Amino acid sequence: QSVLTQPPSVSGAPGQRVTISCTGSSSNIGAGYDVHWYQQLPGTAPKLLIYGNSNRPSGVPDRFSGSKSGTSASLAITGLQAEDEADYYCQSYDSSLSGHWVFGGGTKLTVL
Amino acid sequence: QVQLVQSGAEVKKPGSSVKVSCKASGGTFSSYAISWVRQAPGQGLEWMGGIIPIFGTANYAQKFQGRVTITADESTSTAYMELSSLRSEDTAVYYCARGSRILATVTDFDYWGQGTLVTVSS
Repeated sequence: QSVLTQPPSVSGAPGQRVTISCTGSSSNIGAGYDVHWYQQLPGTAPKLLIYGNSNRPSGVPDRFSGSKSGTSASLAITGLQAEDEADYYCQSYDSSLSGHWVFGGGTKLTVL
Repeated sequence: QVQLVQSGAEVKKPGSSVKVSCKASGGTFSSYAISWVRQAPGQGLEWMGGIIPIFGTANYAQKFQGRVTITADESTSTAYMELSSLRSEDTAVYYCARGSRILATVTDFDYWGQGTLVTVSS
């Protein structure tokens, strides 16, 4: 059971828009800690996709965007492409005794 | 360009220990946090602990307290994660990851190692 809750899977056709939610609590996202998003292609290490809730590292297409409100955050992907098919993880910091950094359980994006 | 290169795959017996290394190049090693994150087969990411080498003190997830030791050698720009009392549930890919902001623990992970598969089997 992950501290941050994500849907196990989402799907969309090429060119469409999808969103992935990440729900936390008052000890992590709701406490004001930033949310970061990672993309993990099959058999590879995670790659930073969005940092500080809504910022894209250099080289990440602007088709990817992030937002945060209250105890939740979202990742939006527009103009879906086949190469976007991957697992996506949200991450935040948690001030409770359960640990420091926490991740969502991951969302598998399938491009139909 | 920062690179984190991890040691190779390991096969261990239950009850034994494993030590995984993570060698950094292309940046300032000592001032950036290195975290260890593991991923069991078909599962999600799990933070184990981290260290800022220049400070030398590691922080651990409660789940791994007493079983994991994270250290860093500034002279070789290498971080280590040692996990003891291994059990089958510890079979996973272990990643090291670097914090993006200098001297900060609460920050995103901008560079990741390639991962080290640790298999625990009798």
